[in-house]
Amino acid sequence: GAGVSQSPSNKVTEKGKDVELRCDPISGHTALYWYRQSLGQGLEFLIYFQGNSAPDKSGLPSDRFSAERTGGSVSTLTIQRTQQEDSAVYLCASSRRIAGAQETQYFGPGTRLLVL
Amino acid sequence: AQKVTQAQTEISVVEKEDVTLDCVYETRDTTYYLFWYKQPPSGELVFLIRRNSFDEQNEISGRYSWNFQKSTSSFNFTITASQVVDSAVYFCALSEAENNFNKFYFGSGTKLNVKP
Repeated sequence: GAGVSQSPSNKVTEKGKDVELRCDPISGHTALYWYRQSLGQGLEFLIYFQGNSAPDKSGLPSDRFSAERTGGSVSTLTIQRTQQEDSAVYLCASSRRIAGAQETQYFGPGTRLLVL
Repeated sequence: AQKVTQAQTEISVVEKEDVTLDCVYETRDTTYYLFWYKQPPSGELVFLIRRNSFDEQNEISGRYSWNFQKSTSSFNFTITASQVVDSAVYFCALSEAENNFNKFYFGSGTKLNVKP
């Protein structure tokens, strides 16, 4: 079956421009997660959605970052006024949700963002 | 403080050697989940195993085995008779009941190089 997809796979932008990164989760997965992975580093949790709501936005690095999810499916991560330190791979993951338990997250291939 | 520590930044072995990747975690929760993921050079994270805190049985899957020890807060991963295809970055991760299992804490990863 189809896995998590992300687009674009690569994005090069100039400092100060806005970018939108898209994630299509696995069908039926109600939970969706965004992570950032800087070069040679681990994964930094950014935000998660349960359905269309994001109860915890504390992981977003600054107010230039925002995310939304519509229809309980596609999610968009927007970075405004990009800075060079935003350069990283942005990973999306999705999972089913079962109350009081943790289902496995399945990751997309990521979007490599390079801010010049 | 790091919730998940993978002290080994990089390990190099020769094919057919056994190798153990260490993972130490920190949590106040009695209910939590631990995970291992593999990130090959292609970049996409691949799920390997999920273990909940109430199941301390060690698990074996082919050449892979996991040793979960609550007494030492460790969840180590052993690859027996390593192969070149095992070369990847391996991440250990934790999710906790405190956050309703909605946040994943990843270690910084261990890069495994298996040489022919």
